[in-house]
Amino acid sequence: QVQLQESGPGLVKPSETLSLTCTVSGGSISSYYWSWIRQPAGKGLEWIGRIYTSGSTNYNPSLKSRVTMSVDTSKNQFSLKLSSVTAADTAVYYCARVSKGATGAYYFDYWGQGTLVTVSS
Amino acid sequence: EIVLTQSPGTLSLSPGERATLSCRASQSVSSSYLAWYQQKPGQAPRLLIYGASSRATGIPDRFSGSGSGTDFTLTISRLEPEDFAVYYCQQYGSPWTFGQGTKVEIK
Repeated sequence: QVQLQESGPGLVKPSETLSLTCTVSGGSISSYYWSWIRQPAGKGLEWIGRIYTSGSTNYNPSLKSRVTMSVDTSKNQFSLKLSSVTAADTAVYYCARVSKGATGAYYFDYWGQGTLVTVSS
Repeated sequence: EIVLTQSPGTLSLSPGERATLSCRASQSVSSSYLAWYQQKPGQAPRLLIYGASSRATGIPDRFSGSGSGTDFTLTISRLEPEDFAVYYCQQYGSPWTFGQGTKVEIK
């Protein structure tokens, strides 16, 4: 059973960089896309971006200028950095695996439990 | 960017009733690129439907998805107590976007 676990600071100061890591267990990180999604309290889901195990990335245009994702296949981990954070970046951050079905359908089939990151001085 | 609009915002129903949730896209979406998720308080979303109509592994057959183009529907044929939750549709165009969610609450 594939499991994902987010880790990183729960409190980040305004203007600093938010850094999170997702550790994948129970399966290989190779040959999949991996994504970050966030959810402010009481609000909906926002896709942040995705990374393939080759290192190829795609980011949400609304966050693109501040987002960097990376992958470390030797550790079965991928990471998120979000720079110049403000209170608006306070949210639960989820990591998720992207799978592709036989018909070409994409879907998030495994999710981490989520980690709350608060931006505050 | 494709905007997904879900309706209604809240659906108040009793166990055993049928739930019909709508997801409307601002532009045509490939059916392969539309999924539905269920989220309960304090939990991560769970995949229900992918490719507009394919049930994910382990999802009961009371959940079904349909639609094409700009109009998609998630139907729960008979609500069980564990089905009261928030439901999101998502499209995998560029960029990937989610609907704002429909809350299914106990009447």
